[in-house]
Amino acid sequence: AQTVTQSQPEMSVQEAETVTLSCTYDTSESNYYLFWYKQPPSRQMILVIRQEAYKQQNATENRFSVNFQKAAKSFSLKISDSQLGDTAMYFCAFMKGNQFYFGTGTSLTVIP
Amino acid sequence: EPEVTQTPSHQVTQMGQEVILRCVPISNHLYFYWYRQILGQKVEFLVSFYNNEISEKSEIFDDQFSVERPDGSNFTLKIRSTKLEDSAMYFCASSRTITSNQPQHFGDGTRLSIL
Repeated sequence: AQTVTQSQPEMSVQEAETVTLSCTYDTSESNYYLFWYKQPPSRQMILVIRQEAYKQQNATENRFSVNFQKAAKSFSLKISDSQLGDTAMYFCAFMKGNQFYFGTGTSLTVIP
Repeated sequence: EPEVTQTPSHQVTQMGQEVILRCVPISNHLYFYWYRQILGQKVEFLVSFYNNEISEKSEIFDDQFSVERPDGSNFTLKIRSTKLEDSAMYFCASSRTITSNQPQHFGDGTRLSIL
């Protein structure tokens, strides 16, 4: 079975600063996909960034980047130049086949 | 950009009643999913659907749940006899394939409240 662990239930960051959200996962698979989803108070699920396990290069999407450590089964999200609109719940997700496994989420608050 | 749409945004139902949650996936997508998020908890997979049949389901998806694609555009989740613990946010998602090049796109969710 696949499990995803987010050990930081809540975090805060000053506007314009950088914050890193951690995620670890457990799997025996070698080929899989990892995602970060953002869930603002409106409760939508918005894709932030994705990473294929077979790619060594860390994915980057504007102010969002990941630190993917396959051997350590770690997939952290770095948000640079934090903005007030980044305030949301962030879910790490593991995908194998057509099923997602989500972590419990990290609630991020950006402080003005 | 095409979106997954869900209706209604909020559904209030008496315990024991049947409820149908509706979703319109993105038109060229082939894989459809339902997820549930109980308030304050993580998003949980319920079921995936492809080629007019269930391809995977979780242990949450018991006999009181069913899914259907009745008319080629809608994708519905039916809960036959609702319980208080069915109160949650229900998300529909769709994807064109099951690879990460075409990730799952989520709808805005339907908040189901069981009284």
